[in-house]
Amino acid sequence: QVQLQESGPGLVKPSGTLSLTCAVSGASISSTNWWSWVRQPPGKGLEWIGEVYHSGSTNYNPSLKSRVTLSVDKSKNHFSLRLSSVTAADTAVYYCARVVWNAYYYLDVWGKGTTVTVSS
Amino acid sequence: SSELTQDPAVSVALGQTVRITCQGDNLRSYYASWYQQKPGQAPILVIFGKNNNRPSGIPDRFSGSSSGHTASLTITGAQAEDEADYYCCSRDSSDNHRVFGGGTKLTVL
Repeated sequence: QVQLQESGPGLVKPSGTLSLTCAVSGASISSTNWWSWVRQPPGKGLEWIGEVYHSGSTNYNPSLKSRVTLSVDKSKNHFSLRLSSVTAADTAVYYCARVVWNAYYYLDVWGKGTTVTVSS
Repeated sequence: SSELTQDPAVSVALGQTVRITCQGDNLRSYYASWYQQKPGQAPILVIFGKNNNRPSGIPDRFSGSSSGHTASLTITGAQAEDEADYYCCSRDSSDNHRVFGGGTKLTVL
């Protein structure tokens, strides 16, 4: 059974960098799947942040592209999100998810999510 | 445009059928996937692709369809436990970006 688990600081100061990791169990991060991050501000909808492949290839949300970096650590079987120059608008629950991208595109396994608050 | 538009809220009587729609130009080229999210929980995949593809464990009362620029999620015989927010998701025209709809809050009366 594939499981994803987000981890990282729950509080980040404005102008700082948000860093989260998603640990993958039950599957290899070097499989044919891509790996994605999605966030949800309080009381709002889902926002796609981006996705990363084990080769290091990435796709980013254009609205966040200048501040986002996604990476993979194959030795630890996890992938990571870094979001720089954060503001209160980046306060959200952050989810990691496994991407299936073949004839169709969908996120079939999700982590439970981790809450990140941007505040001084 | 790469936006996906959903009705903010829909209601259905217990046991009746409800359709939740998602509109966007991208849907002319790509199938939507649908996610159910209950309060305080992570989203779960309920429908993807065409031909009513459902992950294991998703009841067959959930089905999907697509026509033109509209994707639909239908719940036939809605149950109380189906009350949740539902989101559609699709690729954009470049196939390098993804977008979620704004979500539909389903109330089962």
